[in-house]
Amino acid sequence: NAGVTQTPKFQVLKTGQSMTLQCAQDMNHEYMSWYRQDPGMGLRLIHYSVGAGITDQGEVPNGYNVSRSTTEDFPLRLLSAAPSQTSVYFCASSYVTGSNGYTFGSGTRLTVV
Amino acid sequence: DAKTTQPNSMESNEEEPVHLPCNHSTISGTDYIHWYRQLPSQGPEYVIHGLTSNVNNRMASLAIAEDRKSSTLILHRATLRDAAVYYCILREGGNFGNEKLTFGTGTRLTIIP
Repeated sequence: NAGVTQTPKFQVLKTGQSMTLQCAQDMNHEYMSWYRQDPGMGLRLIHYSVGAGITDQGEVPNGYNVSRSTTEDFPLRLLSAAPSQTSVYFCASSYVTGSNGYTFGSGTRLTVV
Repeated sequence: DAKTTQPNSMESNEEEPVHLPCNHSTISGTDYIHWYRQLPSQGPEYVIHGLTSNVNNRMASLAIAEDRKSSTLILHRATLRDAAVYYCILREGGNFGNEKLTFGTGTRLTIIP
């Protein structure tokens, strides 16, 4: 089925560990992005990309790295996990024009202990 | 970035219409008005979007004020499955527009059986 696929769905990390959250879409969308959602809060933009080889920072980029080598994939890397990065992470994709809506993945629930 | 303002919460009786307001007084001429909803423990889901004219789809209707400084999402006959957080955001219409979009806290809609 066409859509945005996020893996893993759940992850527990120890402080200082690194990991990569995966995001893939099969809709040929140019735009992809990562959001985090903390309890009772809205979604805050971490990083986004408008095409392969192009990335930019969002509202809360510190502690996260991204790269976009293909149209389909947009992984989010945590280099040294901290408890403050405990959150639910959502990936979204879209065509770049404002007349198109975002498609979101089902999320990755990350706990850093 | 153009911002939106929504009430924190609303309640509605089941099987009655629901009108969810959104103010966006700093909207620019090329901004599209988008609505998303987030069911408990799920990723956000696209609902509807529009530019100037009112829009209808199978999920909802979007009524846009003539000056475009406000809009209203209309659920014609609310069901318990419509209980969710509803987000109103603005997205630039041009290609590769400003994609630094952050979702606010939205409106938490409670449906009373």
